[in-house]
Amino acid sequence: ETGVTQTPRHLVMGMTNKKSLKCEQHLGHNAMYWYKQSAKKPLELMFVYNFKEQTENNSVPSRFSPECPNSSHLFLHLHTLQPEDSALYLCASSQLTGELFFGEGSRLTVL
Amino acid sequence: AQSVTQLGSHVSVSEGALVLLRCNYSSSVPPYLFWYVQYPNQGLQLLLKYTTGATLVKGINGFEAEFKKSETSFHLTKPSAHMSDAAEYFCAAGYNNNDMRFGAGTRLTVKP
Repeated sequence: ETGVTQTPRHLVMGMTNKKSLKCEQHLGHNAMYWYKQSAKKPLELMFVYNFKEQTENNSVPSRFSPECPNSSHLFLHLHTLQPEDSALYLCASSQLTGELFFGEGSRLTVL
Repeated sequence: AQSVTQLGSHVSVSEGALVLLRCNYSSSVPPYLFWYVQYPNQGLQLLLKYTTGATLVKGINGFEAEFKKSETSFHLTKPSAHMSDAAEYFCAAGYNNNDMRFGAGTRLTVKP
């Protein structure tokens, strides 16, 4: 595999469930990102990791919990979400040039 | 605050017509500038980018964009639209490695 891979592609969960989104990059990049894409809104940066260290938390509610065990993997742990959290969650990676390489996204529906 | 504005959330053109998607950024220091395309149920794919040097940048699929510092603009163009160009297009400005600002996107429709 090459590029940025996200799993699962689709996820439906209840408000009391706990689930996780996974992202893996095969590009040797040092930075990884989570973005939220909702209809009719700009992409919202959620978290940034540089060399496994979290460098940005963009005022994201604590029901979203990121984890970066190494520079190739990034997780987004989800618990007690709200229906308004339904969105496409995009993972991306980059090197120092700032160009982002995106995965295909995980479409989350919260019932 | 630094921001990116895309004028027009929807643009419709006929096949073979010129495509023009507008993007303006707000910053006294020119950022790195990008255009991404998103097809349905997919992530964003880089079309082209401007970092330094030549202000007219050519990208994939026949698209190009021109950086105009005096107008703080980075409009995307393609001389002749193809049906396969129908997608959502995002302009983005990168101010450092961690600060990438995206516009709200422009949905391009191409009519036969």
